[in-house]
Amino acid sequence: DTAVSQTPKYLVTQMGNDKSIKCEQNLGHDTMYWYKQDSKKFLKIMFSYNNKELIINETVPNRFSPKSPDKAHLNLHINSLELGDSAVYFCASSQDYGGRGSPLHFGNGTRLTVT
Amino acid sequence: AQSVTQLGSHVSVSEGALVLLRCNYSSSVPPYLFWYVQYPNQGLQLLLKYTSAATLVKGINGFEAEFKKSETSFHLTKPSAHMSDAAEYFCALNQAGTALIFGKGTTLSVSS
Repeated sequence: DTAVSQTPKYLVTQMGNDKSIKCEQNLGHDTMYWYKQDSKKFLKIMFSYNNKELIINETVPNRFSPKSPDKAHLNLHINSLELGDSAVYFCASSQDYGGRGSPLHFGNGTRLTVT
Repeated sequence: AQSVTQLGSHVSVSEGALVLLRCNYSSSVPPYLFWYVQYPNQGLQLLLKYTSAATLVKGINGFEAEFKKSETSFHLTKPSAHMSDAAEYFCALNQAGTALIFGKGTTLSVSS
């Protein structure tokens, strides 16, 4: 009965490959997010979807493409992986879009290692 | 522009001692403020949030934080540290129309 679940938990791949990370939430929330946590533990927003519509798209390379088939799912596809993409990627959800005090609920993260 | 600054990237306390983790914010309008905790190899868990209802906010695990507008601060405290409190702590902020913005985090170490 995990609230926000991500798969896989670990992802090791070589430069140039394409990979996907999946996220699902069973909280009935309208908004979902992808955050990137770097090696210094800094968390930065990448994307946000509200009811399947993209509302935040930070300065992220075009190689990263989010897809939201329905409001309970937000997947992240990464093309042509580079060494600098190595990080922990967190999916999160909130009841509504930011600025209304709705806390985010986070998944346990996907540790991506590019070799 | 809004921002969050956590003073001290690493705080060490003894078990039973007071925990004080500092957070200052910058925002053009009254923000919503949050503290999250991250245990090793886990996601972030909400400790508490400030939404203007009360300046002293109580959270889980005995933590509380006080919103001080005059000092633009939202420091996190706990009267008596437990070994299990050792983790990474993040202060975060958002305001209307923005996503949650995080500080750089503070690692709390607790020694016996």
